[in-house]
Amino acid sequence: TQLLEQSPQFLSIQEGENLTVYCNSSSVFSSLQWYRQEPGEGPVLLVTVVTGGEVKKLKRLTFQFGDARKDSSLHITAAQPGDTGLYLCAGADDSGAGSYQLTFGKGTKLSVIP
Amino acid sequence: KAGVTQTPRYLIKTRGQQVTLSCSPISGHRSVSWYQQTPGQGLQFLFEYFSETQRNKGNFPGRFSGRQFSNSRSEMNVSTLELGDSALYLCASSWTGNEQFFGPGTRLTVL
Repeated sequence: TQLLEQSPQFLSIQEGENLTVYCNSSSVFSSLQWYRQEPGEGPVLLVTVVTGGEVKKLKRLTFQFGDARKDSSLHITAAQPGDTGLYLCAGADDSGAGSYQLTFGKGTKLSVIP
Repeated sequence: KAGVTQTPRYLIKTRGQQVTLSCSPISGHRSVSWYQQTPGQGLQFLFEYFSETQRNKGNFPGRFSGRQFSNSRSEMNVSTLELGDSALYLCASSWTGNEQFFGPGTRLTVL
């Protein structure tokens, strides 16, 4: 069974601070995705990283995929209250015939205090 | 383009009953996956359907079942409900199978 460990589990920071969230696994994934989920809603896809060592930027968010495709990080610069939410990483495993099974970490709950 | 829709959004049932949840994927998406989300276990994969066939299945008991129709709409059914089945049930649709787009979920409470 593939597992994804996210850290930290909870993070409470002041507006304007920087933060990094980590996602680690002992398994290799064909790709890794980051989602943000707000209370009472489904996760919203933020980014997909595919290549080992890949770095993607989405405004103030920077996503990195580890060289061995087992780990990833999400860095937020100058956090804003609108960044508050549950951040989930998910590893995609190609189960064959085009079927991908996503394995999710348990998430990092981020609170940005104004 | 309309997103993934799920009905109902909230549901209260009692132990022993059965429940059916519905999911309409994004137009053009043929893959539909179902997940259970609980505070303790996080998001866990239930099953995936593609072109009316179950293509992948997670580690859940046989009380959890699903199906997909020719228009890609999907339903999942849980029979003989247990207290532990209380959760947010999420449906996700995909074109490639890799990137999945989630609906708002159905909050099921079992009393």
